Amino acid sequence: EILMTQSPGTLSVSPGERATLSCRASQNVFSNLAWYQQKPGQAPRLLIYGASNRASDVPARFSGSGSGTEFTLTIGSLQSEDFAVYHCQQYNNWPLTFGGGTKVEIK
Amino acid sequence: QVRLQESGPGLVKPSQTLSLTCTVSGGSISSPDYYWNWIRQRPGKGLEWIGYVFQSGDTYYSPTLNSRLNITIDTSKNQFSLNLHSVTAADTAVYYCARVPRIARKWRFDPWGQGTLVTVSS
Repeated sequence: EILMTQSPGTLSVSPGERATLSCRASQNVFSNLAWYQQKPGQAPRLLIYGASNRASDVPARFSGSGSGTEFTLTIGSLQSEDFAVYHCQQYNNWPLTFGGGTKVEIK
Repeated sequence: QVRLQESGPGLVKPSQTLSLTCTVSGGSISSPDYYWNWIRQRPGKGLEWIGYVFQSGDTYYSPTLNSRLNITIDTSKNQFSLNLHSVTAADTAVYYCARVPRIARKWRFDPWGQGTLVTVSS
C-alpha cells in the first residue's frame, strides 16, 4: 500500500496571499495524483487530476505540480471560499490511498 | 449529470452490521466504464477507501477491512450497498459513495455522494 503524507497539517494564510501545500508518496506514483477540496459538512470535490490538470469549473488560481513522489498544490491568491481542507490521493496502484489532509485556515 | 446519494441508519450497535445504500441517478450503474466505491472519514481523520463493486458484481476491498466487508450491486434499482460486519466504535465515520472510471490509472473519485454519518454506540 502506498502511504501518502501531507504537510503541513494546518496552514494559516491571510486572504489574498498564496498558499503552498505539499504531498509526498512513499513510492513513485508518476503523475497519477489528484487533489480534492473539502469544505465543512460537504463531500470532497475533485480539484486537480494528473498532478496538474484542473477539473471542470476549477478557478485558474489553483495549480498543481510535481511527479514521482513529491507534489504541490498552490492556491495563487486565497479567496474566502478557498478556506477548506485539501486532500491528495494517489491512483497509480490499488488500494487507492489518501493523505491525511491539510487544513487551510484564515490567519 | 450523475448524482449519488447515501442512505441508511445513523446509529448501529457494537458487534452488529453497518448497512448503507448508495442510489445513483442521472446515469446507469450498469455502465462498464465505472467502479462504484465506498470511502469513509473517521472523526478528525483523513479519507479511507473501503472498496468497490463493478456492474458484474466483482468486488475489490481494502485489505484492512476485507474480512468484515460485503459490497453488492443491484442494477435493477441503480443502487449499490455496503455491509460492514462486527462493527466497533472505531467504525464511527462519515461514509461516502463515489464513482471511479474503470480505465487504468484514471482512478480518481468524481462525483461523490454528500456523505452520511454512522455512529457505532450502544
